[in-house]
Amino acid sequence: DSGVTQTPKHLITATGQRVTLRCSPRSGDLSVYWYQQSLDQGLQFLIQYYNGEERAKGNILERFSAQQFPDLHSELNLSSLELGDSALYFCASSEQQDWYDEQYFGPGTRLTVT
Amino acid sequence: AQKITQTQPGMFVQEKEAVTLDCTYDTSDQSYGLFWYKQPSSGEMIFLIYQGSYDEQNATEGRYSLNFQKARKSANLVISASQLGDSAMYFCAMREGEGQNFVFGPGTRLSVLP
Repeated sequence: DSGVTQTPKHLITATGQRVTLRCSPRSGDLSVYWYQQSLDQGLQFLIQYYNGEERAKGNILERFSAQQFPDLHSELNLSSLELGDSALYFCASSEQQDWYDEQYFGPGTRLTVT
Repeated sequence: AQKITQTQPGMFVQEKEAVTLDCTYDTSDQSYGLFWYKQPSSGEMIFLIYQGSYDEQNATEGRYSLNFQKARKSANLVISASQLGDSAMYFCAMREGEGQNFVFGPGTRLSVLP
């Protein structure tokens, strides 16, 4: 158990819908990262928050947004869902945002868009 | 250009033998971290081992060790005394400098044979 929690574990929804994925980082970790893992794209970095502020953006679509709250939990919002958004979405956390900080991953949320 | 290359899509190893999973990276930064993660079929991402660019000794964690060759820009993972439970996908990742994103390689699928 990494100490990072993600809910829900599984999510099945229809195209065009909107969903929210939730992540609680390890106790004491200030940075939260979101990743998308699909079969054809591998593990793709989406976005990073550090202590409530957005710090880095990766291959995140405009239909997706995220935020980190004062209690440091984070939510990833996916809207106007398409079939291609079906993937495993990971949240990870690290103590700070230094290059030597290891990231600990949550169990992931498996999203299926039908 | 690919920042992280893992040239072995799949590897087989006999139980109790050692195996080396290759990883080469590309960076012009002096400060960077290299990480290995394991992803079993259950889907979670498990942090295994870390090597910093300034570390003079190869990192070791139990049965895992990292063969770090800075001049060659390689950071191969060595698993000694393979166990059936080591069967999984293994990802090499790198983080450069300050506030840079994690970049993951495509992964190597390791199968341990009884």
